Amino acid sequence: LAKTTQPISMDSYEGQEVNITCSHNNIATNDYITWYQQFPSQGPRFIIQGYKTKVTNEVASLFIPADRKSSTLSLPRVSLSDTAVYYCLVARGGDMRFGAGTRLTVKP
Amino acid sequence: DTAVSQTPKYLVTQMGNDKSIKCEQNLGHDTMYWYKQDSKKFLKIMFSYNNKELIINETVPNRFSPKSPDKAHLNLHINSLELGDSAVYFCASSQEAGLGDIQYFGAGTRLSVL
Repeated sequence: LAKTTQPISMDSYEGQEVNITCSHNNIATNDYITWYQQFPSQGPRFIIQGYKTKVTNEVASLFIPADRKSSTLSLPRVSLSDTAVYYCLVARGGDMRFGAGTRLTVKP
Repeated sequence: DTAVSQTPKYLVTQMGNDKSIKCEQNLGHDTMYWYKQDSKKFLKIMFSYNNKELIINETVPNRFSPKSPDKAHLNLHINSLELGDSAVYFCASSQEAGLGDIQYFGAGTRLSVL
């Protein structure tokens, strides 16, 4: 399984764009890249998923370069409520293994 | 309606006891999971069931036994509880056990072993 590496923590301010990059050098051809968000005392929640190039939804954008060895989650204009842990996953079959995640703190 | 529901939300018990955590999903998904999140917030998969069949069984003590009476339920029974079992346990489900299937998580059960 592809191992993922993310920064342990990031700080930002309200209204800024936040980019969190995940490295997955051993990604396989059939692997998808999925990001989850977890608030304290809650279960992880799906944010966005992609295979290649760029994916955008109402919450975030996901940028995946051609070699797929990394991906970047982009959160536009963050607010205090975006303070959470963000997990990058590279999934194969039903075996989804979470890394340590990135703890994002948004400050006023 | 809660998509993935776990009970109880909190569980405080003594070492050596046996306890169960229940999980139900009303999404019609075929695959369900149990995860353990420790104090350092690492989220580790423990088990995965697809249509009531065990497909992932990570290296966990055999004191932990999952049971899936039907594809909408996956319960976790823990025998002879130990201090190190204290953690938050999350149940999740996904449509299939296919490539990159999106998982839906319950709110978690916080287990404290005294």
